[in-house]
Amino acid sequence: AQSVTQLDSQVPVFEEAPVELRCNYSSSVSVYLFWYVQYPNQGLQLLLKYLSGSTLVKGINGFEAEFNKSQTSFHLRKPSVHISDTAEYFCAVSLMDSNYQLIWGAGTKLIIKP
Amino acid sequence: DAGVIQSPRHEVTEMGQEVTLRCKPISGHNSLFWYRQTMMRGLELLIYFNNNVPIDDSGMPEDRFSAKMPNASFSTLKIQPSEPRDSAVYFCASSIRTGTGELFFGEGSRLTVL
Repeated sequence: AQSVTQLDSQVPVFEEAPVELRCNYSSSVSVYLFWYVQYPNQGLQLLLKYLSGSTLVKGINGFEAEFNKSQTSFHLRKPSVHISDTAEYFCAVSLMDSNYQLIWGAGTKLIIKP
Repeated sequence: DAGVIQSPRHEVTEMGQEVTLRCKPISGHNSLFWYRQTMMRGLELLIYFNNNVPIDDSGMPEDRFSAKMPNASFSTLKIQPSEPRDSAVYFCASSIRTGTGELFFGEGSRLTVL
């Protein structure tokens, strides 16, 4: 069975500091990978995705993620966070042989300290 | 462009009452999803429609839940009778093409059943 693990439920970080949100997945077949962001009292919004090609993917708001197939990881990074990045971040995978099903991680709350 | 529109944003009702949640997907999107989000269970896929046809309703928790999509621009999720354990945020999401993994979420309907 496939699964997605977000290792940290909360990550506190000072404003303007770098951040990394960790995501590992388990799958016996090839996958597509996604990060979504959920701001307070809003729906989820796609931050970035990896379908193929370069393993370093750049998304909106200065975020990027790197696909590491050997470590089955897709960690999200930002070199300098802003108070407006306060949100919950969800990692998700889609099986290449499935046409609709997304498997979601439990989410990581990014807490920006002033 | 208008995004996915959900109504109502908030609903408070008493146990046993019927609840109807509504969704208008983005025009031209052929896939529609209903999700439920709770602290305990995270994001759960309830039902998936493709071209207005229900494809996978295995996530619908009980017969008390039903969903319809009478046309490409409207879907409903109904709970009858409602129970306190149904309290959650219900999201509708649409996608332009099945298999992309790129979902556009509405802002959600927060349901509280007393």
